[in-house]
Amino acid sequence: GQQLNQSPQSMFIQEGEDVSMNCTSSSIFNTWLWYKQDPGEGPVLLIALYKAGELTSNGRLTAQFGITRKDSFLNISASIPSDVGIYFCAGRNTDKLIFGTGTRLQVFP
Amino acid sequence: DAMVIQNPRYQVTQFGKPVTLSCSQTLNHNVMYWYQQKSSQAPKLLFHYYDKDFNNEADTPDNFQSRRPNTSFCFLDIRSPGLGDAAMYLCATSGLEETQYFGPGTRLLVL
Repeated sequence: GQQLNQSPQSMFIQEGEDVSMNCTSSSIFNTWLWYKQDPGEGPVLLIALYKAGELTSNGRLTAQFGITRKDSFLNISASIPSDVGIYFCAGRNTDKLIFGTGTRLQVFP
Repeated sequence: DAMVIQNPRYQVTQFGKPVTLSCSQTLNHNVMYWYQQKSSQAPKLLFHYYDKDFNNEADTPDNFQSRRPNTSFCFLDIRSPGLGDAAMYLCATSGLEETQYFGPGTRLLVL
């Protein structure tokens, strides 16, 4: 099925560093979502973006919806060990989500 | 408070033995979804209910069935599990054209 292009595939960083990941699509989406998934758990919603160009923050997380509605980035500032997990972007037009391929984040103390 | 609840969290079944996974929600959402997720891949949509209307994905095997007896509950039935059906099964809910909220998942092991 259709998937969004998400990069990087994995990241290994040191605690305290900032992180940036992005998602691109050939299709336009009305809504862009970022989820985090811990091992053995379901995805948890981090940020939802509804308007082109929208920049939204949630604590140390910041995400932006691209002007063209075809891309988004997620930044994590001052990473901590509990940021470890897989981050998925997802685009939505109808009731279905199109997921990105995921970015696996590993944080070393 | 838990909003999307999945039971059990871990399920072991035998090859070919029918198994049912359950999902309940306290959000009163119209739409409920079942996803299959394998080893760090993105979740793959199996089907979803829009109220009582069932919407099957074209590539979902016939082995997978679902029931939604009321707004709060939705079940995933795997009629004859194969080894390839071992995966994490995720339930999600949403309001109309709204954000999806996921449950914690049920990890299925097929022996």
